[in-house]
Amino acid sequence: AQSVTQLGSHVSVSEGALVLLRCNYSSSVPPYLFWYVQYPNQGLQLLLKYTSAATLVKGINGFEAEFKKSETSFHLTKPSAHMSDAAEYFCAVSSGNTPLVFGKGTRLSVIA
Amino acid sequence: NAGVTQTPKFQVLKTGQSMTLQCAQDMNHEYMSWYRQDPGMGLRLIHYSVGAGITDQGEVPNGYNVSRSTTEDFPLRLLSAAPSQTSVYFCASSYLLNTEAFFGQGTRLTVV
Repeated sequence: AQSVTQLGSHVSVSEGALVLLRCNYSSSVPPYLFWYVQYPNQGLQLLLKYTSAATLVKGINGFEAEFKKSETSFHLTKPSAHMSDAAEYFCAVSSGNTPLVFGKGTRLSVIA
Repeated sequence: NAGVTQTPKFQVLKTGQSMTLQCAQDMNHEYMSWYRQDPGMGLRLIHYSVGAGITDQGEVPNGYNVSRSTTEDFPLRLLSAAPSQTSVYFCASSYLLNTEAFFGQGTRLTVV
């Protein structure tokens, strides 16, 4: 079975600072990994995904994530936070033949 | 292109009432899922379907029924609503289980 742990339910950064949202996964088979973003009162939209190609994955809005098999991690980063990045972020894992399993989410606040 | 459409957006039920949350997608996706989102719990899988006529249980299926008579529609039925079912419900669809999932805008359900 797959599982996801997101460290930190709430992260606060200053505008222009580095964003780092942590995700560790557990999977008995090579995983497919995803980051989704949810803006207030909206559904989820895909930021980026890892599907066993390049380990460094670039997504929308300047976000990227690095797959590290040895650390079972898929942390999300952005070099410079913008006010519009304030949202909730979810890491998710799939084995390929099971639906997505989500972490509990990390709420990102950006301080002016 | 409408994507994934959920109705209603908001609903208040009394304990013991039944209702159906509607979900339709126009992307010809085989895979559809229902999740519930609760504060601090992330998204938890209720039921999912890998094609018309095929459904399976997720992590939290009790109190919910689903059916998939067409590729486009995947309704979620609450048999006898309970306050514990107060939540935001999301429907999602994808081409494969390891590809991007597209989410509806959610249904906010309150059971009193």
